[in-house]
Amino acid sequence: EAGVTQFPSHSVIEKGQTVTLRCDPISGHDNLYWYRRVMGKEIKFLLHFVKESKQDESGMPNNRFLAERTGGTYSTLKVQPAELEDSGVYFCASSQGEQYFGPGTRLTVT
Amino acid sequence: AQSVAQPEDQVNVAEGNPLTVKCTYSVSGNPYLFWYVQYPNRGLQFLLKYITGDNLVKGSYGFEAEFNKSQTSFHLKKPSALVSDSALYFCALTHNTGKLIFGQGTTLQVKP
Repeated sequence: EAGVTQFPSHSVIEKGQTVTLRCDPISGHDNLYWYRRVMGKEIKFLLHFVKESKQDESGMPNNRFLAERTGGTYSTLKVQPAELEDSGVYFCASSQGEQYFGPGTRLTVT
Repeated sequence: AQSVAQPEDQVNVAEGNPLTVKCTYSVSGNPYLFWYVQYPNRGLQFLLKYITGDNLVKGSYGFEAEFNKSQTSFHLKKPSALVSDSALYFCALTHNTGKLIFGQGTTLQVKP
């Protein structure tokens, strides 16, 4: 069984540019979560999808972040425009019980 | 408010010695507690969880954790450390919402 995959593994962009991160959950998992770890701090929750619906987006930092989950399959997280403080590692997890995490996308905004 | 604290940024142990990685939590009600491990260039891997029942929980790779309600702690332990256990360890909790609340992480360094 394939695990959670994320693309790209690493992205370096300039301040003001746009970046889109992608997460492919484990097939059949209705729940999809986005988290991020900034500057070696704790991993923080961003949002939670149940199928294609946003169940909880209380962790989204501001309106520069837009998450979608078309058809309840893969999800994208777009940052537009990116700021320096958006640098960090963005993790995706999917679950039907236990949360299984992807390897993360390391975003560097210069 | 719910929170998780991992008071040590780094723990150093010699191979073969017992190890403990500390975690304390704050939550109203009963928590679901987890330990995850992250190896370099890998995603978070689930180690073990406490939901209810026995306070001593056994997990993957010989790790175990003890839930202590009076001390609000959930320390991760292993009787004999291996060099391959060197990684970044995260304690986390959830409380009926699904989303995980993580501690800051503790780097475990096991030296030969």
